[in-house]
Amino acid sequence: DTEVTQTPKHLVMGMTNKKSLKCEQHMGHRAMYWYKQKAKKPPELMFVYSYEKLSINESVPSRFSPECPNSSLLNLHLHALQPEDSALYLCASSQVAGAYEQYFGPGTRLTVT
Amino acid sequence: GESVGLHLPTLSVQEGDNSIINCAYSNSASDYFIWYKQESGKGPQFIIDIRSNMDKRQGQRVTVLLNKTVKHLSLQIAATQPGDSAVYFCAELSGGTSYGKLTFGQGTILTVHP
Repeated sequence: DTEVTQTPKHLVMGMTNKKSLKCEQHMGHRAMYWYKQKAKKPPELMFVYSYEKLSINESVPSRFSPECPNSSLLNLHLHALQPEDSALYLCASSQVAGAYEQYFGPGTRLTVT
Repeated sequence: GESVGLHLPTLSVQEGDNSIINCAYSNSASDYFIWYKQESGKGPQFIIDIRSNMDKRQGQRVTVLLNKTVKHLSLQIAATQPGDSAVYFCAELSGGTSYGKLTFGQGTILTVHP
C-alpha cells in the first residue's frame, strides 16, 4: 500500500470555526509532512514530524496546530483561520525525515469564509 | 534569498514528441534535486532525483540533467504521452538528508496534444 489518504477532500469553514484535517499512511514511514499549496503555486512546507515528534515548524501561525497521535496518523487542527488561509493542504510521508522521495496525499481543499 | 525557479511556465507538445522542462536554482549547497509531477486533483508524485555530484540520471522515458556551472536542471521526457500532461515541479533538498526539507520551484504546465 503506497497511498497517503486525506480527509475531508473539501472543507468550508467560517473564521470562528474549529476543524481538523486528517492524514493517514500505512507504509511504515517515520516522517510526515504538512504542505500548503495556493492556486498555481508550488507546495510550501509547513511542518515536519519525525518519529512522531515535531522537527520542523516553518514559522506557521499558531492558528494551525499539528498533531501526530501515532506513526500512521497526522492531524492539522484549524482555529480562527483567515480567508487568505484558503488553499490546498497536502500531507506527505517519507521513510525518514529528509528523504527526497515523499509520497503525497490528494490534499484537502480548504475554503475559509 | 535562495530559490528554485523555472524558465518556462507552460509547454505544449504533440504526442510522441520529446519534452524538455527547465529549472534554475540558486542554492549551491543543495544535496539533491528532484522532479515531481502533479496531475489535476492529485498531490505531487516523485519522478526522478539526481544527487548534486552527478550530471545525468536516466529513468524510464525520463532523463534529468544537472549543470552546476550555470545552476540549471532539466527534465527530458521521451515520446511524450497525453498521460504526461501535468504540472512539473523541480525541487531541491537542502539541510542534509537527516533534517533536510524540500523547496519546490514555481512549476511548468505541460500539455500534450494527441
